[in-house]
Amino acid sequence: EIVMTQSPATLSVSPGERATLSCRASQSVSSNLAWYQQKPGQAPRLLIYGASTRATGIPARFSGSGSGTEFTLTISSLQSEDFAVYYCQQYNNWPPLITFGQGTRLEIK
Amino acid sequence: QLQLQESGPGLVKPSETLSLTCTVSGGSISSSSYYWGWIRQPPGKGLEWIGSIYYSGSTYYNPSLKSRVTISVDTSKNQFSLKLSSVTAADTAVYYCARQLRVAANEWFDPWGQGTLVTVSS
Repeated sequence: EIVMTQSPATLSVSPGERATLSCRASQSVSSNLAWYQQKPGQAPRLLIYGASTRATGIPARFSGSGSGTEFTLTISSLQSEDFAVYYCQQYNNWPPLITFGQGTRLEIK
Repeated sequence: QLQLQESGPGLVKPSETLSLTCTVSGGSISSSSYYWGWIRQPPGKGLEWIGSIYYSGSTYYNPSLKSRVTISVDTSKNQFSLKLSSVTAADTAVYYCARQLRVAANEWFDPWGQGTLVTVSS
């Protein structure tokens, strides 16, 4: 089973600053990685798929990069609505298995 | 705009079977482009994929839950369903349904239902 590890567990950043969230896979997942944002009491929302493609309606301040085992989600200038928990998710072809990272909580500094 | 809505009992007794239905509106569950998935989230914890189904009935499950999970589809009602047997307190979670896209070797979920909390307790 591929294990996804996100770091840090909690990130404190001031509004207007840049936030960089990391996701590491225990073995290569190529570019088969997605990022989600989850606010309290809400369902997750897709931000990024294919490691770097923004989903429909996602602001350009969100960007994803990486391939293989190391991935990054960058939020270029934090807005108040961006403070939430972020999850990465990978798909492994065989055995077919979808796994999520444990999440990074992005909080206001 | 595609919407998904989970429904089912909010309380299930230990050892019984959890049953949930996801109703899809604003689009057809029979679209050849998508799978349909179930994901859960224990209170205060992270996300766990349970399993997925294609409109034809083809399924694949999380190996850790496979022995207890059945996912089915009813295209006439534009619904798909989850059954999880022999539940324990560890199965207490918010259960989400979601549309699942599979492109080459990539898979992701969008959009998600609002989720429904299922508590396992006597």
